[in-house]
Amino acid sequence: EAAVTQSPRNKVTVTGGNVTLSCRQTNSHNYMYWYRQDTGHGLRLIHYSYGAGNLQIGDVPDGYKATRTTQEDFFLLLELASPSQTSLYFCASSPGTGAYEQYFGPGTRLTVL
Amino acid sequence: GDSVTQTEGLVTVTEGLPVKLNCTYQTTYLTIAFFWYVQYLNEAPQVLLRSSTDNKRTEHQGFHATLHKSSSSFHLQKSSAQLSDSALYYCGVTGNTRKLIFGLGTTLQVQP
Repeated sequence: EAAVTQSPRNKVTVTGGNVTLSCRQTNSHNYMYWYRQDTGHGLRLIHYSYGAGNLQIGDVPDGYKATRTTQEDFFLLLELASPSQTSLYFCASSPGTGAYEQYFGPGTRLTVL
Repeated sequence: GDSVTQTEGLVTVTEGLPVKLNCTYQTTYLTIAFFWYVQYLNEAPQVLLRSSTDNKRTEHQGFHATLHKSSSSFHLQKSSAQLSDSALYYCGVTGNTRKLIFGLGTTLQVQP
């Protein structure tokens, strides 16, 4: 089973602040995803990637950048954080060849004051 | 656009009674796999069931679901709910885009 880790697990910042959320997966999966989870909205896809250097736009990308530096590492960047970005963020990975399951990390709770 | 509909936001059931969570979908691309994810309190979502075969029942942890492409449905059922089943359940579909389209989720509360 894939191992997906996220850091930090909790983060508090102020409006206008700069935040980077990190995700690492150790099973050499091709696909990695960033979601946000909010009550009443479920899981919403922000960005995803199918390999190092690749980035695909998700369904709610505004205000977010992402970068996939290696097969293992996927970062989510909030350059001017706003209170509307207060949320629980999940990273996930998927093998991408013949298997379609996504394996989720433990989540990062971000609060923007 | 592509969508997954879970009609109930909250389902409350008494322990030992059957439960059914509804899921229907609408997609414009070739759908390949269908999932139910479960998320326990303060944990990450994890796969509960998966299916790719029309009209075939799939089972795990006492839950079962059958994909019916004719009605675009993949309902989740259990014959006897347990207190430990209380959680948030997501239905999802994925296809050649590799995006997993989730419903809004259904919270299942099992009461003693």
